[in-house]
Order: sequence, then C-alpha cells, then structure tokens
Amino acid sequence: AQSVTQLGSHVSVSEGALVLLRCNYSSSVPPYLFWYVQYPNQGLQLLLKYTSAATLVKGINGFEAEFKKSETSFHLTKPSAHMSDAAEYFCAVSVLVSYGKLTFGQGTILTVHP
Amino acid sequence: GAVVSQHPSRVICKSGTSVKIECRSLDFQATTMFWYRQFPKQSLMLMATSNEGSKATYEQGVEKDKFLINHASLTLSTLTVTSAHPEDSSFYICSARETRRSRDLQPGTDTQYFGPGTRLTVL
Repeated sequence: AQSVTQLGSHVSVSEGALVLLRCNYSSSVPPYLFWYVQYPNQGLQLLLKYTSAATLVKGINGFEAEFKKSETSFHLTKPSAHMSDAAEYFCAVSVLVSYGKLTFGQGTILTVHP
Repeated sequence: GAVVSQHPSRVICKSGTSVKIECRSLDFQATTMFWYRQFPKQSLMLMATSNEGSKATYEQGVEKDKFLINHASLTLSTLTVTSAHPEDSSFYICSARETRRSRDLQPGTDTQYFGPGTRLTVL
C-alpha cells in the first residue's frame, strides 16, 4: 500500500518569501505523485503531477516540485509567495495498479502574511 | 479546463433520512468517478470508486448499503447516504477521471478533476 506524509500541518511565510511544502511518500512500486490546492469550501485543484518523466515538474501559479527517489520526497516550492497562495495543499500518490486511486497526505495549510 | 459540479453544495437533514448528492462532469465524459469524505481539519479519505455501468468498488470499512453509489451515465454519479446519522456529517467530495482512448496512457497518471464538495450536516 502507498502512503504520504506531509511534514508540517501549518506553514507561514511572508509575501515574497520562498514557499517550501514537504511531502514524503512510501510505495513499493513506482509512484505517481500529485500536488493539489484547496481553497476554503472548494474542491481540489491540481497544481502539478509527476508521472515518471522529468523529475522536476512545473505546475500552475509558479509552483514546482522535484521527485527525489533516493529521499522518497516530492516537495513543493515556489520562489516568491503571493497572498493569493494562502490555501491548504495536499500531496497525493497513486500507482499504476490502483487505476487512479489517490492516497492523500494530511494537508498543509499555507498562510501568507504581508 | 474540465469542470465537475456537485449538487447540493450544502444540505442539512434530520437523523434517519436519506440524502442524495450528485456529481456531474460538465464538459467531458468520465468512465470513473471517485467519492471522498473529508472530516474537519483532516485529509480526504477515498470511500469508493464508481464505474459507469457497473457496481461501485468500496474501500475497506465503508458500508456499501449505507452509501449507495450509482453511475448511470458517463457524466453523472450519485451518492446516497441512507438513514443518515450525525456521525455521517462531513464534507463529501467527488472527482472524475476523464475517459481517454489512447493505449499509451497509464490510468494512474490521468488527471482527476474535483467537484466543489457537499457539506452534509445531520441533526
């Protein structure tokens, strides 16, 4: 079975500062990894996904993530935080044999202050 | 982009009644839809996988007789919470995976598009 651990349930940054949200996964087979963002009372929006191509994945809104197999990590970064980035972020994993079933991490709430 | 809608967005019901939640893919066909449950300040937990024209597959610990799923068309899946109780109060979210016909695509990599969620409160 697959699992995801997001380190830090809350992250707070200043506007313009680097955003780093941590995600570590566990999987016995090659994983597919995803980052989703959830705004209050809304569904999830895909930011980016890793599907065994390039290890550095660029997504929407200036976010990117790097797949590091040796560290079993898929951390999400953004060079400069905007106020509009404040939301909850979820890392998720799926594997080929699960046919798209996603296993989510616990989520990280990102707060951006002026 | 692909849009998934859910109806209703909020529902309050009395204990013992049944509630139906609809999930629709508005501009694409979805052979597979997923139903999740999210408790306050917790992550999404997959409840079941809904496949058009066949029975849903439920995750371990999810009562299939309590959470009835019907996926009658390529754009609609419904979740009915039967005989609801206060502990069923939660945020229910569906997602839809776009149906594609390429042999090269790996199912695990298909993007899932999420609905906005339905807040169920059982009194």
